[in-house]
Amino acid sequence: QQQVKQSPQSLIVQKGGISIINCAYENTAFDYFPWYQQFPGKGPALLIAIRPDVSEKKEGRFTISFNKSAKQFSLHIMDSQPGDSATYFCAASGEYGNKLVFGAGTILRVKS
Amino acid sequence: GAGVSQTPSNKVTEKGKYVELRCDPISGHTALYWYRQSLGQGPEFLIYFQGTGAADDSGLPNDRFFAVRPEGSVSTLKIQRTERGDSAVYLCASSVQGARRTEAFFGQGTRLTVV
Repeated sequence: QQQVKQSPQSLIVQKGGISIINCAYENTAFDYFPWYQQFPGKGPALLIAIRPDVSEKKEGRFTISFNKSAKQFSLHIMDSQPGDSATYFCAASGEYGNKLVFGAGTILRVKS
Repeated sequence: GAGVSQTPSNKVTEKGKYVELRCDPISGHTALYWYRQSLGQGPEFLIYFQGTGAADDSGLPNDRFFAVRPEGSVSTLKIQRTERGDSAVYLCASSVQGARRTEAFFGQGTRLTVV
């Protein structure tokens, strides 16, 4: 059962543009929403995370927007750079421990 | 080590064989997780250890899969009678504690190929 739906599957953005990736969840018990970045041959690395008591969190060029009523959250990458080209995963947790439920991933390519 | 270390990086095995995958978590991290990532998919949870005990093994697909963490540090994921469908990247992650919202650090994974 896919509890976190992620879109789009792939995304091509020009250098300097804004990359936007969206996720939707079903389980209202989720209360932690991280985004992970993964390069080929590497494990996922935490990029930024948000809790549902805030609607937005910004760290450098990366912003998470969160809509609790719609059960949706998104990642915005401002001034996208070729080095941002990677696969991005949204995730959610809220059950015992820190078990993460991941979306299917978005392959981002930033063209220079 | 500075990060989560997984060995081997790659493992090719024949169908029906037994394999062991090893994970060395970050020193001092009490929580350890195993995930499986199939091609083009996000990681899927397999099992979570808090210390030496398996606190949640609800993600293990069947009884051919088993994991241990006898001393609360290194963990081994064991797969018996491997099948071609077991081919995937097996990821290990650790965190300082098992509390919710604690950052999990992932290793680079072991790519298992069953031929």
